[in-house]
Amino acid sequence: GNSVTQMEGPVTLSEEAFLTINCTYTATGYPSLFWYVQYPGEGLQLLLKATKADDKGSNKGFEATYRKETTSFHLEKGSVQVSDSAVYFCALSSGGNNRLAFGKGNQVVVIP
Amino acid sequence: DAGVIQSPRHEVTEMGQEVTLRCKPISGHDYLFWYRQTMMRGLELLIYFNNNVPIDDSGMPEDRFSAKMPNASFSTLKIQPSEPRDSAVYFCASSLDYRTGPGGYTFGSGTRLTVV
Repeated sequence: GNSVTQMEGPVTLSEEAFLTINCTYTATGYPSLFWYVQYPGEGLQLLLKATKADDKGSNKGFEATYRKETTSFHLEKGSVQVSDSAVYFCALSSGGNNRLAFGKGNQVVVIP
Repeated sequence: DAGVIQSPRHEVTEMGQEVTLRCKPISGHDYLFWYRQTMMRGLELLIYFNNNVPIDDSGMPEDRFSAKMPNASFSTLKIQPSEPRDSAVYFCASSLDYRTGPGGYTFGSGTRLTVV
C-alpha cells in the first residue's frame, strides 16, 4: 500500500539556518507528492507539490524535488525565519483516487 | 471563496453526551474528508465522501461515530456517546476530483474537542 515516512522527532534551529526535512515514500504506480504546513491553531495548508519524477515544487522559499530513484521528496529551505515555525507533513496520492497518505509530521521550531 | 468552514472551533462536553461537528466544503469540490489529529496517532482519516456518498469509512473508530453528507454543501460528524479518549482536533477537508483538480486538499481550521 501507499505510505510516507518522515524523520523522527522535532527540529529546532536558529533563524537563517538551513532546513532539511526528510521524506521517503512507498507507492504503487506514479504518485503525486505534497508538502503541507500546519501553523499553530490552524488547519493544514498546501505548501508545494510535484506530480512527476524530477519535478521540483517550490513556494515561500521552500523546495522539494521528486526523486523516483530514491523514492524521496525532501523539503529544504536555505534560510529559515521564526515565522516558519510550524508542523510539516509529507503526503502522497496514488492509484487514481483522491486519497492522501500523510506522514506523521515534523515540528519545526525556529529560534531568533 | 471562504474556504472550508468548520464549526464549532472549540467544543467541551461531558462524557456520555452527543457531539456534532459540522463542515461546509468549498463549493464545487467533489470530495470531502474527515480527519482526527492527536499527539499520539497523528492525522487519521476517519471517512471520506465522493459526491455526497460515503466511499470509505474504515477509519471510523467504532459505532459511536457516524458521518453524513446530506447535500454537497454540508457534512456532519457525530459522536454518541462521547468519551474522554475522543478528545482531539477534528479536521474537515475538501478537494476537486483528481482528474480535474490540482490534487491537493483544502483543510478547515478544525474543531478542538475536549471530552471531560
